[in-house]
Amino acid sequence: QLQLQESGPGLVKPSETLSLTCTVSGGSISSSSYYWGWIRQPPGKGLEWIGSVYYSGSTYYNPSLKSRVTISVDTSKKQFSLKLSSVTAADTAVYYCAISPKIAWYFDYWGQGTLVTVSS
Amino acid sequence: QSVLTQLPSASGTPGQRVTISCSGSSSNIGSNTVNWYQQLPGTAPKLLIYSNNQRPSGVPDRFSGSKSGTSASLAISGLQSEDEADYYCAAWDDSLNGVFGGGTKLTVL
Repeated sequence: QLQLQESGPGLVKPSETLSLTCTVSGGSISSSSYYWGWIRQPPGKGLEWIGSVYYSGSTYYNPSLKSRVTISVDTSKKQFSLKLSSVTAADTAVYYCAISPKIAWYFDYWGQGTLVTVSS
Repeated sequence: QSVLTQLPSASGTPGQRVTISCSGSSSNIGSNTVNWYQQLPGTAPKLLIYSNNQRPSGVPDRFSGSKSGTSASLAISGLQSEDEADYYCAAWDDSLNGVFGGGTKLTVL
């Protein structure tokens, strides 16, 4: 059974870059069957898809965040990562990593989530 | 403001059947499949329904999904107290964006 675990700083200063990593266990991150994605949820609000990466490195991003987002994959470490630049308080959220099958856009395995607060 | 529209709240009594709706447009629900997630308090979302009406292994058949045109619905029959949660619809949009509904908070009275 695939398991995901987010890690990274819980506090980021405004204008800096938020960096998170998702470690995959119980399966291969090099599988051609999945996309590896990031979703966030501001406190008390709904879900927002940030973007996804394929094992080959190809990516697609939410257009509203595209200019600030980079998602990459490191198959040797069984990890994929999120970088969000120029953060503001509006980027404060619980960030989830999750897996979607290549053939459809839905997320059937999720990490537990990690809260990132943007504050000076 | 979410691309997919859900009523913010719904309620029902134990044993009742409740329906949660999700409204979109021709570029998302109208041309792509709909998925539903259940989020219990303090936990990560869980996939409840995918491809409009398919249940992942382990999801009780009390949960069912349907789609018609640019709208979709999640039905929960035999409502139980443990069904109290937030429910989100989601779909791919042809603008190359994945979109979620704003969520519906289900209260079991």
